[in-house]
Order: sequence, then C-alpha cells, then structure tokens
Amino acid sequence: GESVGLHLPTLSVQEGDNSIINCAYSNSASDYFIWYKQESGKGPQFIIDIRSNMDKRQGQRVTVLLNKTVKHLSLQIAATQPGDSAVYFCAENKDFNKFYFGSGTKLNVKP
Amino acid sequence: GAGVSQSPSNKVTEKGKDVELRCDPISGHTALYWYRQSLGQGLEFLIYFQGNSAPDKSGLPSDRFSAERTGGSVSTLTIQRTQQEDSAVYLCASSLVPGNQPQHFGDGTRLSIL
Repeated sequence: GESVGLHLPTLSVQEGDNSIINCAYSNSASDYFIWYKQESGKGPQFIIDIRSNMDKRQGQRVTVLLNKTVKHLSLQIAATQPGDSAVYFCAENKDFNKFYFGSGTKLNVKP
Repeated sequence: GAGVSQSPSNKVTEKGKDVELRCDPISGHTALYWYRQSLGQGLEFLIYFQGNSAPDKSGLPSDRFSAERTGGSVSTLTIQRTQQEDSAVYLCASSLVPGNQPQHFGDGTRLSIL
C-alpha cells in the first residue's frame, strides 16, 4: 500500500552543525506535506509545510525541499541547537481530509 | 484556550473497563481528528469530523472504538471493554478547515491498560 517512510530512524549531530532529515513518500497524488516536531510527552508541533507546486520553502532556520520526481521530502535545520532535539515526522495529505504520518526520526543534538 | 486541550493527560484502567477521552479543539476550527500513537511509532489515523458531515470512521480499529463531536466543538473518544493492546497515546488535532491546512495537536492522553 501507499506509505510515508523515513530513511534514518536516528540522527546525531553536533551543536551548530546543519541537520538534514529525509522522508520518502510513495503516492504521486499527494499535494501537501508537513513537517512536525514532537518532544517527549508533547503533541506534534507544526514546523513548516509545502505544497506540491513548490520545490523549496524556507522558514526560520528550517528549509523544506520537495523532489516530486523521486518522491522525496527533506527538512534542513541550520545551526542545530540542543532545543532541536526531538522526533521529527513528515506527513502527507494523500486524501483530501486525511494525513498519513511516517514513523519519525529522532534527532539528537550533542553539545 | 489558545490550543487544543485534551483530558485526562493520563489514564490507567483495568482491562475490560470503558474509557472516555475528551478533546477541546481550537475555537472556530471546523475539522477535528483523532490519532493513536504507540510507543516509538508514528501516528495512526482513527477518525475525522468536519462540521455537520458524517464522520470518517475508516481508521477505527474495532467496533469497541467510537467517537462523538457535540455541537461542532468538543469531541469524546470512547473505548469499550479495553484491551492491553489499546495502551497508547491518543492525540487529537484540529484545523481551521480540512485539507491543505496544518493540524494543531493537543498533548494527548496516555492510556495504560493493566
């Protein structure tokens, strides 16, 4: 079946370095994607989104890249900080009203 | 409140008991979603409400699970005759409109079935 998945379950980076978290999706009909950050004991927090008519979108210290050719989504975090340590999920809006979430990538930021 | 509110934050109950989980969405948000998250896993869609339309129940795992949304606002997720495999975090989210809009999540209810 169609699914959203992540290449790396755990990513460790040094404080100050850039982080890249990847996500693969299999449904070419998906037209909207979201990255969420989830800290322990909390609900997912919206980071950034991108629509399928775009290739790149930037926020504060974060950039999302969408490659529709290979059905790949990535989240780049610049100058990673200890407060960025969390689990990151990508989600795709395959059906208009429903989102499908990947299993998540845990980001560990080493001081 | 400013965000999605869920209660209780934690619930421990014995196998076979019924439980009710509550979600207060952000005021004015027409769409409301329930998800289940098992330890170390992603989010599993359960049910979706939009305005006065019939809910999309396609993600409910069994007929022991049901949900209501009264007055287009507060929602209750009910699990009857709980089983140990029901142990998980149950998350509620709302969005202003359905579809291509971010969902805003509550902090969930951590349900433990003994």
